[in-house]
Amino acid sequence: QVQLQESGPGLVKPSETLSLTCTVSSGSIKSYYWSWLRQPPGKGLDWIGYISHTGNTNYNPSLKSRATVSIDPSKNQFSLKLTSVTAADTAVYYCATLKYGGADFEYWGQGTLATVSS
Amino acid sequence: QSALTQPASVSGSPGHSITISCSGTSSDVGAYNYVSWYQQHPGKAPRLMIYDVTKRPSGVSNRFSGSKSGNTASLTISGLQAEDEADYHCISYTTSSTWVFGGGTKLTVL
Repeated sequence: QVQLQESGPGLVKPSETLSLTCTVSSGSIKSYYWSWLRQPPGKGLDWIGYISHTGNTNYNPSLKSRATVSIDPSKNQFSLKLTSVTAADTAVYYCATLKYGGADFEYWGQGTLATVSS
Repeated sequence: QSALTQPASVSGSPGHSITISCSGTSSDVGAYNYVSWYQQHPGKAPRLMIYDVTKRPSGVSNRFSGSKSGNTASLTISGLQAEDEADYHCISYTTSSTWVFGGGTKLTVL
């Protein structure tokens, strides 16, 4: 069973960059695509993007190139940077696994709330 | 506005069955057998309940089942239990190699 844990600052100022890290334990970084999703308070889920252990990425076009996902296999970590944030980016951010050859998010972190406010 | 349409709420009595629908288009739900369903209790992370339209991960009760007809997928929960009360989200892979989501359905067990 893969375990995931998000970490990062809970408060970000408007126009600045949100940076989050997901630490993977009890699983191989080579076994999945590694994904970020988010859920604004009281709303539904949304997919941000994913990365493979070799660095291949895919992003939600609606984020208009503001999102960047990176990976550090040596640390069993992957990260999200979201630039030029606004209040609309306030959400619980989740990291999750995505199976090779599949399209479901099997294992999830507990989530971390990121609030955009001055 | 979510890309997939789910009812905002459904309810059912213990022991009964309910079905939650998830309507999309020929570019998502209707395109592939890549619809998944997630259960989310308040303040918790989503939990995968159904993947590839009909498959259950290990550890998920066989009271949960999935199906699809055309551009609409459905989640059925039989033998409702109090612990089933939660939000349920559908997700579909798309022909653009992205994912689209429903807005979530709140299940109340009466």
